[in-house]
Amino acid sequence: AQSVTQLGSHVSVSEGALVLLRCNYSSSVPPYLFWYVQYPNQGLQLLLKYTSAATLVKGINGFEAEFKKSETSFHLTKPSAHMSDAAEYFCAVSDGGGSQGNLIFGKGTKLSVKP
Amino acid sequence: NAGVTQTPKFQVLKTGQSMTLQCAQDMNHNSMYWYRQDPGMGLRLIYYSASEGTTDKGEVPNGYNVSRLNKREFSLRLESAAPSQTSVYFCASTQQGAIPTDTQYFGPGTRLTVL
Repeated sequence: AQSVTQLGSHVSVSEGALVLLRCNYSSSVPPYLFWYVQYPNQGLQLLLKYTSAATLVKGINGFEAEFKKSETSFHLTKPSAHMSDAAEYFCAVSDGGGSQGNLIFGKGTKLSVKP
Repeated sequence: NAGVTQTPKFQVLKTGQSMTLQCAQDMNHNSMYWYRQDPGMGLRLIYYSASEGTTDKGEVPNGYNVSRLNKREFSLRLESAAPSQTSVYFCASTQQGAIPTDTQYFGPGTRLTVL
């Protein structure tokens, strides 16, 4: 069965610093991986997704993630944090079993950005 | 397009009361989902509907029922609410759930408190 583990429930960075949010996956089939962002009191929206076309995936708002099969990782990065990046971030893997497109979410990482 | 809409935004129930959460999407999507979000738990799938006329259980279906009323609407019913069902509920939809790379689009959520 597929699963994802997000390391660190809370990450704090200074404005302008590198953002690194960690996600490791477990999958018995080639995985499809997603990062979603949730701003306070809102629903989730897609940041980026890995669909096996390219290992380095660029998303919205300057975020990117690299799929590393050898490390079973899909970490999210952004070179320079903005105050507006403060949100909760969820890594997810697509359930490749009988329900195919269902997503399995990690527990989330809350990002704080200090001025 | 309004995307995915949910009503109500907030609700307080007493233990044993019943209620229905409504969800509608105007993107002509085939698949719809109900999740609950609890602190530190990420999102967990309650029920999903791969296509109009079908519904299936997700990870945490106990205490809930669903109805796919038509292609646009997917409702979630709590027959006898319990304090353990206090949560934020999200509805989502995707064009074709059977395609594991499809993006899910989320509604703004319903905050439910059961006293």
